[in-house]
Amino acid sequence: DAKTTQPTSMDCAEGRAANLPCNHSTISGNEYVYWYRQIHSQGPQYIIHGLKNNETNEMASLIITEDRKSSTLILPHATLRDTAVYYCIVRVGGGGSEKLVFGKGTKLTVNP
Amino acid sequence: GAGVSQSPRYKVAKRGQDVALRCDPISGHVSLFWYQQALGQGPEFLTYFQNEAQLDKSGLPSDRFFAERPEGSVSTLKIQRTQQEDSAVYLCASAPPGTGYNSPLHFGNGTRLTVT
Repeated sequence: DAKTTQPTSMDCAEGRAANLPCNHSTISGNEYVYWYRQIHSQGPQYIIHGLKNNETNEMASLIITEDRKSSTLILPHATLRDTAVYYCIVRVGGGGSEKLVFGKGTKLTVNP
Repeated sequence: GAGVSQSPRYKVAKRGQDVALRCDPISGHVSLFWYQQALGQGPEFLTYFQNEAQLDKSGLPSDRFFAERPEGSVSTLKIQRTQQEDSAVYLCASAPPGTGYNSPLHFGNGTRLTVT
């Protein structure tokens, strides 16, 4: 089962920042938070990941609370092409693999 | 460089037929994952390989599903006696060696299987 909860859907105006929240209250100390997005008919695209420090790359910023029970993905200047389903994932160990366990994600719609 | 490549892109099978789906991971990636994605749902884990070893097959839904990676590179997901509930997008992902949980998975665009 997914270890994260996200809002089902969000809207954002083009050019504004999109802030996508995620709760992961049962996260363990060595588990990473990953964000992926999926545009229709494509495979999931990696965005960013982190353990406990805030992270930034060319696509987005990831803010993780000090207790690590929640995080926020920030797209600083959303464009229409950012419309997608965004998945927040806690990477699960055990069973001999390092798999990602996806939930239902947040459907982000960027409006003109 | 080239990403994860999956073929065919689309597959239509009649109920009861066997199908084989191919995944070419990124060169040098030792970890390989298969996922199944039903319409409107998030991807669900099927199985995981490290090189040629299948280390986790806990997500395979039945014994009709079989995956192999005999030389530690290309992988094939085989579904025997397909059923309508097998209709889904099958995604393959790979990851580079050595960094475990700190290493992103890179996904292909999947094979859309429709069983009629």
